[in-house]
Amino acid sequence: DAGVIQSPRHEVTEMGQEVTLRCKPISGHNSLFWYRQTMMRGLELLIYFNNNVPIDDSGMPEDRFSAKMPNASFSTLKIQPSEPRDSAVYFCASSLGRTGNSYNEQFFGPGTRLTVL
Amino acid sequence: AQTVTQSQPEMSVQEAETVTLSCTYDTSESDYYLFWYKQPPSRQMILVIRQEAYKQQNATENRFSVNFQKAAKSFSLKISDSQLGDAAMYFCAYRRNRDDKIIFGKGTRLHILP
Repeated sequence: DAGVIQSPRHEVTEMGQEVTLRCKPISGHNSLFWYRQTMMRGLELLIYFNNNVPIDDSGMPEDRFSAKMPNASFSTLKIQPSEPRDSAVYFCASSLGRTGNSYNEQFFGPGTRLTVL
Repeated sequence: AQTVTQSQPEMSVQEAETVTLSCTYDTSESDYYLFWYKQPPSRQMILVIRQEAYKQQNATENRFSVNFQKAAKSFSLKISDSQLGDAAMYFCAYRRNRDDKIIFGKGTRLHILP
C-alpha cells in the first residue's frame, strides 16, 4: 500500500484566499484524522471521521475551517478565507478504527506545509 | 480532561550512549494506550513503540524500551546505543480505549552528537 497520501505537499497562498488540502487514507481504514502542527501549539487534532461521519470536530479553530469526507477514500480540509496565523503543517492520518486491532494505530501522511502570506 | 506532558523540550546524547525521554500524563481512565512517535526532519510521523495500560510488562522494540509506571502516570522512552538516525522530535501520546482520539505531548527534540 502507498500509505496515506496528501496533496499538495507545499502550499503558499495569500491572505484571504481559499485553501483546500486533500487526503487519501490507506485502503480499508475507516477512521481519518486531520491534525495541525505548529511550533507554539504542537500537534493538535482538528477533526476526525469514522466511516465517513465526523465524530469530533471540537479542535476546528473557527468557522473558516471545514472538513468533508464524501467517501471512504477521500477527505478535504478547507480554509476560507485563509489568514497568516493558519500557516502550519497539516497532517492527515488514518486507522482501522474501532473495528480494527486493539491498538488502532494511526498511520500519518507526509503532511502539507501551508504558508499564508 | 486527559493531558500529556513532556518536560524536556530538547535533549542531547553522545552517539552509542543511552538516553531517556520523559513523559507524564493525566487521566481518570483505567483502560488506555500509550505511544511514542518519532518525527525526523522529513516530518514523517513514525510509531516507535506502544504500551497497553493493562500490561505490567514494559514494551521493547529493539533499541527502544519504555518504563511504564501506571500509578505515577509516567511513560518514559529509553533509547540504547543511540545512532545518528535517531535524531528527531519524539512525541509521547495517549489514547483511551473507548475512542480513537490520540492526545500528543509537545515533543522532545533529540540531538545525537557524533
